[in-house]
Amino acid sequence: AQSVTQLDSQVPVFEEAPVELRCNYSSSVSVYLFWYVQYPNQGLQLLLKYLSGSTLVKGINGFEAEFNKSQTSFHLRKPSVHISDTAEFFCAVSIIQVAQKLVFGQGTRLTINP
Amino acid sequence: DVKVTQSSRYLVKRTGEKVFLECVQDMDHENMFWYRQDPGLGLRLIYFSYDVKMKEKGDIPEGYSVSREKKERFSLILESASTNQTSMYLCASSLSTGGYTFGSGTRLTVV
Repeated sequence: AQSVTQLDSQVPVFEEAPVELRCNYSSSVSVYLFWYVQYPNQGLQLLLKYLSGSTLVKGINGFEAEFNKSQTSFHLRKPSVHISDTAEFFCAVSIIQVAQKLVFGQGTRLTINP
Repeated sequence: DVKVTQSSRYLVKRTGEKVFLECVQDMDHENMFWYRQDPGLGLRLIYFSYDVKMKEKGDIPEGYSVSREKKERFSLILESASTNQTSMYLCASSLSTGGYTFGSGTRLTVV
């Protein structure tokens, strides 16, 4: 079975600083990878996804993620964060043969300090 | 855009009550899901459905059941609510290539 580990439960950063949210996965077969964001008091919204092709994936709101198969990682990055990026971020994986079933990580809470 | 609507945003129920959480999607997605979200545990899959009248257990189905009589509607049922079912419940729908669309969630409190 596949699993997802988000290495940091909380990440505090200053406004306009870069940020990286780490995600590692475990699977014996090929996977699709996703990042979701949950803004305060809202449901989850798809940020970006990797299905195939280029390993660098660009998403909404200036976020990007890089798929590294050898490291089994899919870290999320943004070069300069804003107060409005305060949210909880979830990494998720599905195996290609059962693409509709996602397994989520525990979540990383990003806090932006002015 | 696909819209997933959960019938209630906040719900307070008593222990032992039968509770229905409703979810409706408007884009003809074949797959629908119920997750619960708890701090530090992320999202855990309760049940999912890949077609009308079809359902499969997720990772934590105990104490829950589901119903999918129409493609657009997926209901989660708590047969006898307990305090450990106090949580945020999220419904989602998707096509087969993955990538869910989530509803806004129902925060259920069982007292």
